[in-house]
Amino acid sequence: AAGVIQSPRHLIKEKRETATLKCYPIPRHDTVYWYQQGPGQDPQFLISFYEKMQSDKGSIPDRFSAQQFSDYHSELNMSSLELGDSALYFCASSLSGGGPDTQYFGPGTRLTVL
Amino acid sequence: QKEVEQDPGPLSVPEGAIVSLNCTYSNSAFQYFMWYRQYSRKGPELLMYTYSSGNKEDGRFTAQVDKSSKYISLFIRDSQPSDSATYLCAMISGNNRKLIWGLGTSLAVNP
Repeated sequence: AAGVIQSPRHLIKEKRETATLKCYPIPRHDTVYWYQQGPGQDPQFLISFYEKMQSDKGSIPDRFSAQQFSDYHSELNMSSLELGDSALYFCASSLSGGGPDTQYFGPGTRLTVL
Repeated sequence: QKEVEQDPGPLSVPEGAIVSLNCTYSNSAFQYFMWYRQYSRKGPELLMYTYSSGNKEDGRFTAQVDKSSKYISLFIRDSQPSDSATYLCAMISGNNRKLIWGLGTSLAVNP
């Protein structure tokens, strides 16, 4: 079965640079979520989109922005990178319905800021 | 204090042992309870989810929810070295899609 695809898998940037992370949800899933996970931490919710509209916002810094495109893929744009932005960034997708949105996670993008 | 508390471990058991993983929570609005497994450098993988109180069994895994005590458990029977991973509990309230996570418990099953 198709899973959530994220690219790139690894990314190395320097301070003050920008980065763009991409997420391709499971086909027919209508909701995309972005999470940031530091070492030994639980995933921190950043932002989500439902049917290409922002549906919820978490602890996303103002330096970050995200959008979901007409083909449902999503991009997380990160500017003025800081050392503390080094983390695993996960995208998850779900299909909304009568029950809970069971979220399926991608393999993550490991961002290292030097 | 976090809404969801989970002992980070690490927990180390011999192969074949029964493993008990637990979370407590404070928000009585939580209705859906999930367990995710995360291998090193991988994304979390949904293992099981339970609605409200009760038990749910899937192979060697059993999830229990006790809403009166605000306590959930995941039991792993006949544990295998391949079960070595971090197990995260997560919860959702009725109308909110945002997952609230525990910190995760690191489990090592030794052959």
